[in-house]
Amino acid sequence: AQTVTQSQPEMSVQEAETVTLSCTYDTSESDYYLFWYKQPPSRQMILVIRQEAYKQQNATENRFSVNFQKAAKSFSLKISDSQLGDAAMYFCAYLQGGSEKLVFGKGTKLTVNP
Amino acid sequence: GAVVSQHPSWVICKSGTSVKIECRSLDFQATTMFWYRQFPKQSLMLMATSNEGSKATYEQGVEKDKFLINHASLTLSTLTVTSAHPEDSSFYICSASNSPTGRNEQFFGPGTRLTVL
Repeated sequence: AQTVTQSQPEMSVQEAETVTLSCTYDTSESDYYLFWYKQPPSRQMILVIRQEAYKQQNATENRFSVNFQKAAKSFSLKISDSQLGDAAMYFCAYLQGGSEKLVFGKGTKLTVNP
Repeated sequence: GAVVSQHPSWVICKSGTSVKIECRSLDFQATTMFWYRQFPKQSLMLMATSNEGSKATYEQGVEKDKFLINHASLTLSTLTVTSAHPEDSSFYICSASNSPTGRNEQFFGPGTRLTVL
C-alpha cells in the first residue's frame, strides 16, 4: 500500500522568510498525483498545489512551489515570503492514477512568527 | 466553482440518538463522494467512498451499520451516525470528486463537528 510520510510534526518561520515542508512517499506505480493541502484553524481543507507525476517541471502557484524528486520519491513544499495567513496544518497527499482515494500524511503544523 | 457544503457545521446530541450530516456539491455533479473522520491534531482518516446510486464502500474497521451512507443524487450524500456514543464525537469531513473532468481532484466541505453527550 502507498504511504505518505511527513517527518516534521511542527515547523516555524518568520514572517517574510522562506520555509520548506518535507514529504516523502512510497509507491511502485508510475502514474500518480501529489497534492499539498492547507488546513487553517477553520479546518476547511484548501488545495495549495498539485503535481502530476509524469510532469518533470515543478508546479508553482504564486508563493508556493514544490521540489518534486521522482526518483527519490520526495515532494517538498516551499513557501516564499511567508505571511501570517499561511499558519495552518499542511498535509501532503498521494493519489494513484485511476484511483480516487487520497492517501494523506500526518501533517505539519506551520507557525508564522511576526 | 467546485464548492462543497456540509450541514450542520456543528451538532450536539445525546448518547443513543442518531445524527444525519449532509454533504452537497453546489456547482458540479459529483459521481463520487468521500467521508473522512479527523481526530484532534491528527490527519484525515477515510471512512467510506460513496458513488451515486450504489452502496458505499467502507474502509477496514469502519462499522457500516453504525455509519450509514446514502448517495441519492449526484449532488448529495448523507452520513448518518446511528446510536451515537461519546466515542463517536469527532470532526467529520466530506469531499466530492469530479474525476470525469479528468482533474483527479477532491473538493472538501467545511466539516461538521459532532459532540455526543
